[in-house]
Amino acid sequence: GDSVTQMEGPVTLSEEAFLTINCTYTATGYPSLFWYVQYPGEGLQLLLKATKADDKGSNKGFEATYRKETTSFHLEKGSVQVSDSAVYFCAPSSGSARQLTFGSGTQLTVLP
Amino acid sequence: GAVVSQHPSRVICKSGTSVKIECRSLDFQATTMFWYRQFPKKSLMLMATSNEGSKATYEQGVEKDKFLINHASLTLSTLTVTSAHPEDSSFYICSVSTSGSYEQYFGPGTRLTVT
Repeated sequence: GDSVTQMEGPVTLSEEAFLTINCTYTATGYPSLFWYVQYPGEGLQLLLKATKADDKGSNKGFEATYRKETTSFHLEKGSVQVSDSAVYFCAPSSGSARQLTFGSGTQLTVLP
Repeated sequence: GAVVSQHPSRVICKSGTSVKIECRSLDFQATTMFWYRQFPKKSLMLMATSNEGSKATYEQGVEKDKFLINHASLTLSTLTVTSAHPEDSSFYICSVSTSGSYEQYFGPGTRLTVT
């Protein structure tokens, strides 16, 4: 089955710092790739996605590029804000049931 | 995206009792619904996948007689934890999807505490 290796947290950054959260995956075929974010006390929200190789997903200043050759989908943001403090999950989706396989989650805390 | 609600948001029950959690898709035809379990500071673990009108498909290690899933309509799925025990205490999250799509939309989750 699919699996995801996600950067261990927690990650603590100062406001306006550069963020990278690494994610590599193994999957059957060519999965779609997603980053979900979970803010404190809330459910998961889709942050961005990429459906084929070399696609770049972007949203709210976050970006991730689908790298088939390295099976990676690293999340980046050039300048984080306090409001970005949350848990971030990397998740490929594949198979006929289109199930998501979640990484372990990375807790991000941004300090003012 | 779809708006998904769960009810209740929190529930406390005594050991040995059963509790039902509802997942509703408010504005979306959810042909497929997923149920996850999230342990503290851990990832989401898929419990089962259900298609409207069909029996749920359970992941390995998930007891189908303990976690009863019903997906009777395109807008409602229920998860019933039968004969709950303290080890069933967890955060249960549902998500919805539609046929042909990889995107899932998540509910806010239900915190179950079994005493």
